[in-house]
Amino acid sequence: QITLKESGPTLVKPTQTLTLTCTFSGFSLSTSGVGVGWIRQPPGKALEWLALIYWDDDKRYSPSLKSRLTITKDTSKNQVVLTMTNMDPVDTATYYCAHRPGFGSGYFDYWGQGTLVTVSS
Amino acid sequence: QSALTQPPSASGSPGQSVTISCTGTSSDVGGYNYVSWYQQHPGKAPKLMIYEVSKRPSGVPDRFSGSKSGNTASLTVSGLQAEDEADYYCSSYAGSNNFEVFGTGTKVTVL
Repeated sequence: QITLKESGPTLVKPTQTLTLTCTFSGFSLSTSGVGVGWIRQPPGKALEWLALIYWDDDKRYSPSLKSRLTITKDTSKNQVVLTMTNMDPVDTATYYCAHRPGFGSGYFDYWGQGTLVTVSS
Repeated sequence: QSALTQPPSASGSPGQSVTISCTGTSSDVGGYNYVSWYQQHPGKAPKLMIYEVSKRPSGVPDRFSGSKSGNTASLTVSGLQAEDEADYYCSSYAGSNNFEVFGTGTKVTVL
């Protein structure tokens, strides 16, 4: 059974750096083809694709946020970490991590419950 | 990379069908067969309903079907049920530079 859970601060100040951790079980990020991605959703708005890391450490970022995002993995801990620098109130959103099943798969089949991050002074 | 365009809302009575469109460009929807659809109930995480344009994950009712023509993908929900009332999002691969993009979302109401 695949599960994912996001953790991190619920409140950050403008200009601060956000660090979110996705802890997962039921799969390994050392399995060929597998990946973990991050997606966010501002309150009442649409989903936004942020970043993705694959088993081989290949990393992909949203072009519009690439300069602010870093995604890393710790295979031994079954964790993926997303950092976003220079946070702004417009970055207030629920942040989700999700499982990418394998080669050539362009979708996320399992999602975490999400964590709401508010950016405010 | 711009979001894919979906109608803000769609509705139908129980038992009827509703079709949601997802319009992109030749650089995303039209260029690849990597369109997926997600259902999201209020306060919940998205759930995968369709992947690779028309494939259904295990456990998703066959009332849900997907298709694509040119730069527009579609999700059809047949035999609408009350529990189908939710927000629906499409997503598409958009090439190695832009990678992936979501749609603007459609709220489906069961009348």
